[in-house]
Amino acid sequence: DTEVTQTPKHLVMGMTNKKSLKCEQHMGHRAMYWYKQKAKKPPELMFVYSYEKLSINESVPSRFSPECPNSSLLNLHLHALQPEDSALYLCASSQDSWQPQHFGDGTRLSIL
Amino acid sequence: GENVEQHPSTLSVQEGDSAVIKCTYSDSASNYFPWYKQELGKGPQLIIDIRSNVGEKKDQRIAVTLNKTAKHFSLHITETQPEDSAVYFCAASTNQAGTALIFGKGTTLSVSS
Repeated sequence: DTEVTQTPKHLVMGMTNKKSLKCEQHMGHRAMYWYKQKAKKPPELMFVYSYEKLSINESVPSRFSPECPNSSLLNLHLHALQPEDSALYLCASSQDSWQPQHFGDGTRLSIL
Repeated sequence: GENVEQHPSTLSVQEGDSAVIKCTYSDSASNYFPWYKQELGKGPQLIIDIRSNVGEKKDQRIAVTLNKTAKHFSLHITETQPEDSAVYFCAASTNQAGTALIFGKGTTLSVSS
């Protein structure tokens, strides 16, 4: 079992809904990441938080809003998503932003 | 920016055979090279990594080699088993604060018994 826990495992939402994805780790890691993965493709980096501060935003549309309430938690708030946003959303953490990254099993998101 | 090429895209082997996956990178500043295994319905799992001050690293049936001059690194799996079947991703990074992992496109490994 992975030490990075993501909830929910599956999410179906309409384009006008607001929902949030949650990620939790208790390994004392100080860097946390959001990735998007489409079928048969590698993960694509969206955001990096280092010591609870946003350090990288890979030009992600504003309909995705990350939040890091504390060093163990990472949220991704979703609003007005498009069908092309359907994907597997992966969270990862590392001891520091240059240490090996460990992934959760992701949230499978479907936009109707 | 960094670009990582991975080959082959699919690889089929018989149980007990060896499997080799190769990656090349473009940025000579890259110095950290992890390999991830992703099974269906799961997130990527870090299986082995290597840093640029090391030429080879081994962990039981898995080994990674790095040629900095040629800018390529390879994953070697010996005595393959059906449970090795998965998608494997290589990645490269300068491993400095604020930099990202750049992934290869992935290799689907199928091990038949």
